[in-house]
Amino acid sequence: GAVVSQHPSWVICKSGTSVKIECRSLDFQATTMFWYRQFPKQSLMLMATSNEGSKATYEQGVEKDKFLINHASLTLSTLTVTSAHPEDSSFYICSASPLRNTEAFFGQGTRLTVV
Amino acid sequence: GENVEQHPSTLSVQEGDSAVIKCTYSDSASNYFPWYKQELGKRPQLIIDIRSNVGEKKDQRIAVTLNKTAKHFSLHITETQPEDSAVYFCAASTSDSGGYNKLIFGAGTRLAVHP
Repeated sequence: GAVVSQHPSWVICKSGTSVKIECRSLDFQATTMFWYRQFPKQSLMLMATSNEGSKATYEQGVEKDKFLINHASLTLSTLTVTSAHPEDSSFYICSASPLRNTEAFFGQGTRLTVV
Repeated sequence: GENVEQHPSTLSVQEGDSAVIKCTYSDSASNYFPWYKQELGKRPQLIIDIRSNVGEKKDQRIAVTLNKTAKHFSLHITETQPEDSAVYFCAASTSDSGGYNKLIFGAGTRLAVHP
């Protein structure tokens, strides 16, 4: 199957700082990627759709100025959590599909802890 | 937008028994319904999926059924084994993402298979 890789796998940052998470499609080009957030023992919640070369589309209730998404190439989307606070601590995970109407492949996720 | 409900939230079975997890969705335009298995701290892994033009699909011990009229779909695991213990998520793919799978997840079912 296709491979989606995230970096870093885990990160600890101080309150008020920003953190960048990378999502790469290693063996295919992805014009569209999706970002999800998962709190402990909860489901994956869709945050935004990342579109190569254009602005991301955010789900209702997700602050676009806080969660900056940049999809500058066909293999890389980044999520920057700005001015992080402890309540932003969560598991962030991305997904992408090689082709339309095919299986979505997930990155391994990034566990963010804000102290 | 799409809303997916999943039941039960927890399920405990004896090894060898069957397990059934049920989901309902709200958007009649949704056309792709995957099921994921997620182990603690890991990425979701696709175990089976079904498209809206099919009523049932089977892969060894796992089967999925879809009732488009009622807007519900179910996961059936037969001859359960302890290694089936995990959290299972159903999802529905909305139709507004250019064919790429923008997934809305159910709340998850924690399955425990006891030897």
